[in-house]
Amino acid sequence: IIMTQSPATLSMSPGESATLSCRTSQSVYNKLAWYQQTPGRPPRLLIYGGTTTDTGVPARFGGRGFGTEFTLTINSLQSEDFGVYYCQQYYSWPLTFGGGTKVEIK
Amino acid sequence: EVQLVESGGGLVRPGGSLRLSCAASGFSLSSYQMNWVRQVPGEGLEWVSSISRDSTFIKYADSVKGRFTTSRDDAKNSLYLQIDGLRVEDTAVYYCARDRYPHYVPGVASVAEIGFWGQGVMVSVSS
Repeated sequence: IIMTQSPATLSMSPGESATLSCRTSQSVYNKLAWYQQTPGRPPRLLIYGGTTTDTGVPARFGGRGFGTEFTLTINSLQSEDFGVYYCQQYYSWPLTFGGGTKVEIK
Repeated sequence: EVQLVESGGGLVRPGGSLRLSCAASGFSLSSYQMNWVRQVPGEGLEWVSSISRDSTFIKYADSVKGRFTTSRDDAKNSLYLQIDGLRVEDTAVYYCARDRYPHYVPGVASVAEIGFWGQGVMVSVSS
């Protein structure tokens, strides 16, 4: 399953809201996760099941979508939110990741 | 506290071998399906392998099939990745990662989201 993320880069200011997109080449139903990776750190699970926020993830992160179209919204960007975001499907083997969206400070 | 600590990385010549280890603590390794994911510095994430909690199912990416071998020793709280026939394109940070929750369906290679990642270990392949 091919994962396509857009845009590749988002230039945002702190306090703004960001919307990231992930499209899959075939339906993954709700088997879609979002990860955040900040420089020098391993990925961190944010969202699973397409819409469920993992424990400890701030409420400003929200996931939507089902099937082949998914979005991750980050409300009121904080300084610690700047980094790269990846979507991943776990509907079928092999597990596949999108190419990532970099959220950078404008 | 859940911890995954990788070791065994380094600089290797093409065709060489390495054995990566992942020491798990803070949870019962035997209850979890485990994974290896790699990342070329500055690039995206690539799933490498997953092993079910009873080692019945071991899945590999096509890019590593036949060269990489994943195993686990729950008594030692450890996961391993044996890498043979290393290629320049295997150069990456290798992450040990645990599924988010303990799942198991007898006879089925079930899939779940990755819930926790180690810090990673660097493997460099160069002549």
